Amino acid sequence: QQQVKQSPQSLIVQKGGIPIINCAYENTAFDYFPWYQQFPGKGPALLIAIRPDVSEKKEGRFTISFNKSAKQFSLHIMDSQPGDSATYFCAASIKGTSGSRLTFGEGTQLTVNP
Amino acid sequence: DAGITQSPRHKVTETGTPVTLRCHQTENHRYMYWYRQDPGHGLRLIHYSYGVKDTDKGEVSDGYSVSRSKTEDFLLTLESATSSQTSVYFCAISPREQETQYFGPGTRLLVL
Repeated sequence: QQQVKQSPQSLIVQKGGIPIINCAYENTAFDYFPWYQQFPGKGPALLIAIRPDVSEKKEGRFTISFNKSAKQFSLHIMDSQPGDSATYFCAASIKGTSGSRLTFGEGTQLTVNP
Repeated sequence: DAGITQSPRHKVTETGTPVTLRCHQTENHRYMYWYRQDPGHGLRLIHYSYGVKDTDKGEVSDGYSVSRSKTEDFLLTLESATSSQTSVYFCAISPREQETQYFGPGTRLLVL
């Protein structure tokens, strides 16, 4: 059961463009939404995260937009660079009695052409 | 990789053999996780630990077991490996719930 759906699967933009990656979730109990970035041959690394009490969060060139009523959130990369070429994963989690666990989207492979 | 090592980094094994993967951390983080990564599926949680000897199942736990006898080590065992368990396995650690998870470098496992 895929509780977090991510789109698109792949995305190609030119340098300076603004790629947007979207995620939708089903479980309204999710209360923490991180984005991870993964380069080939490496483990994922946290990029930015948001909690549902805010609608937007910016860190450098990366912005998360969060729409609680639509159960959707998205990642925007401003002034994209070839070095941003990577796979991006959205995720969601709920706190539980034995700790929280992340549910990941399927991933988006981003290519930024020079 | 935030003081996380995984061993082995690569392994080829045959169907039906037992396999143990090790995750070792030097950060003294409470939470440890095992994920598998397959094309089209993202990362899926296998098992996790919320303290020494405290573990729980993730979404794809069938065929896997774990143990955590001390804070720094989290072992993942495939009791009898199958070809469907061919994957890249990542360990992650976190100091608290819903905090950053720091991932290890991964173990690439091929089951023939």
